[in-house]
This record gives sequence, C-alpha cells and structure tokens, in this order.
Amino acid sequence: DQQVKQNSPSLSVQEGRISILNCDYTNSMFDYFLWYKKYPAEGPTFLISISSIKDKNEDGRFTVFLNKSAKHLSLHIVPSQPGDSAVYFCAARYNTGGTSYGKLTFGQGTILTVHP
Amino acid sequence: DGGITQSPKYLFRKEGQNVTLSCEQNLNHDAMYWYRQDPGQGLRLIYYSQIVNDFQKGDIAEGYSVSREKKESFPLTVTSAQKNPTAFYLCASSGGRAYSNQPQHFGDGTRLSIL
Repeated sequence: DQQVKQNSPSLSVQEGRISILNCDYTNSMFDYFLWYKKYPAEGPTFLISISSIKDKNEDGRFTVFLNKSAKHLSLHIVPSQPGDSAVYFCAARYNTGGTSYGKLTFGQGTILTVHP
Repeated sequence: DGGITQSPKYLFRKEGQNVTLSCEQNLNHDAMYWYRQDPGQGLRLIYYSQIVNDFQKGDIAEGYSVSREKKESFPLTVTSAQKNPTAFYLCASSGGRAYSNQPQHFGDGTRLSIL
C-alpha cells in the first residue's frame, strides 16, 4: 500500500517559470513532511520541510504548501533554473513516538527537467 | 566537514555470498537508517536504529542484517537470503530529541550488483 504518492513521474519546465511538484498521502497520522532533491548516483539532499500544524513554509525560491483536508502537498520552485533539474522526492513522517520516531515514507519521485 | 560516508561506492556480489556495506557518520546523530532504491521507485526502509545497540526492522528487512555497536557506525549486511539484491543502497542519519523536526541526512550511496 503506497501511503505517499507522486503521480507525475516527470515534469518539464522552461527556465524562469514556476515548477510545481505534487504529492498525495493517505495516512492522517503523518505529522511532518519533507522534500528532497536527488542527482544521479548521489544521496538525496534535504530541501524544505513543513509541520502538519502549518500550511505553508518558504525558503528562498522554494515554497511548500500543505492541504491537510485534501492530504496533498506541493513544492513550488520560482523561478526555475537549469540546476534544479533532478529527481524530487516527497517524504512523510509517521510519528507515534517510540519506535516510529523519525521513520520516513517516501514517494516514488518526480524527475524535473528545466530547459534553458 | 561533518557528514555521512558510505563505502564502497560500487560493490559486486557473487551467488551465495554475504556482503557488508559500510556507513559512518560524524554528525553525532543518534538515529541511523538504511534504505534501498530501485529504478522508478521511492526509497524503502530496510532497518533503522535510534540508539546504540538497538535497531528495528523497516518495511523490507528480509535478507538483510545490521549492527549498531558504535554511535557513528551502522553497517548493513546483504545476506545470500536476499534474492534480488541489485539496487542502490542509501544510509541516512538524523539527530535531535524525539518529536524534534530534524531532517534525515543521506550519504552518497552504494550501488550493489550481482556477478
């Protein structure tokens, strides 16, 4: 059962425009959400996160929006740059305390290509 | 520089052989994790450890084993019981107290292939 889904395997955007990456989840117990960026043959790099008590978090060109009622998460990149081309993973933390602390569930990833 | 070091970067396994992937961190993080990534899929959790001498099975632990004898080290053994070991393996760590929102930091991975 895929609890975190990224339904778009790929996204192509022109440089300078907005990139919107989407993520849906099914488990209402998720309390913390993260976005990671990954280049080939490298480990994921943390980008931005949001707690379930918020609906928006911004860091420079990156903004994450959380719609809890829709169980939907999105990452906006404005303006997009060619160096943003990578695979983007959303992840969610299910926190019941104890042994579940820190355990993340990842989506399948979306390949973003930003064209010059 | 603080970080997570995984070695080797590439590893080949023969039939019936156990292989061990190394993961070392100098971030002073309590929690460490092992993930597996297959093409077109997200990261799947194999094992995780919240503290020295303690570890828990993740979603796909069969055919794998771990140890956590030191805070900075969390080696993963891929045993001969793992019938489909070809994948990209990622180690991660995170710090902070329980319920603190500390992101996981990842190493650069080990690519394991079957000979």
